[in-house]
Amino acid sequence: DAGITQSPRHKVTETGTPVTLRCHQTENHRYMYWYRQDPGHGLRLIHYSYGVKDTDKGEVSDGYSVSRSKTEDFLLTLESATSSQTSVYFCAISLGWEGTEAFFGQGTRLTVV
Amino acid sequence: EDQVTQSPEALRLQEGESSSLNCSYTVSGLRGLFWYRQDPGKGPEFLFTLYSAGEEKEKERLKATLTKKESFLHITAPKPEDSATYLCAVQASPTDSWGKLQFGAGTQVVVTP
Repeated sequence: DAGITQSPRHKVTETGTPVTLRCHQTENHRYMYWYRQDPGHGLRLIHYSYGVKDTDKGEVSDGYSVSRSKTEDFLLTLESATSSQTSVYFCAISLGWEGTEAFFGQGTRLTVV
Repeated sequence: EDQVTQSPEALRLQEGESSSLNCSYTVSGLRGLFWYRQDPGKGPEFLFTLYSAGEEKEKERLKATLTKKESFLHITAPKPEDSATYLCAVQASPTDSWGKLQFGAGTQVVVTP
């Protein structure tokens, strides 16, 4: 599984509460990504990081923030969870060079009620 | 705008019945086209990277090919264990893509004995 651990694996939370998902890697890859997967949409990029404290927005970043204080950890925070953020969230890592593949974690299933 | 479209959405095959999945793309400068396999409840698993038109890659019963506008994933004499969702993704220029991938919605393949 490419040394990627996501936690928690499942979470149910209430609308309006903050939620933080964690991604931990043991591969020392510089680049890390958060994607969400929804039926009919495939995987869409939320935020990504190209180094410690270096992050940028992806395609669907509204309502999400990220932080990376160590190479191995990338946190995704839903500042005030909404039902539209019910999804499966995947963390990925990559060497980041052009043409290199990404490796994915097992995912976190988040339900906002 | 970059686009990735996979067809069909779903495919049901008898064991041994070969078939092909399609991934058509429109991107401004392809840096790599990736195929992934995803089992239910798991993260995408990397299969192949293709870089230029005419390139082919093989792994067991799977063979991926690439043209300037589309890629095919051929499944030869499939077995039930080949049942999964197959995802196609592209990485495009500009050079600051930081390894970001754009995914299609996937093709769900079911192989029955």
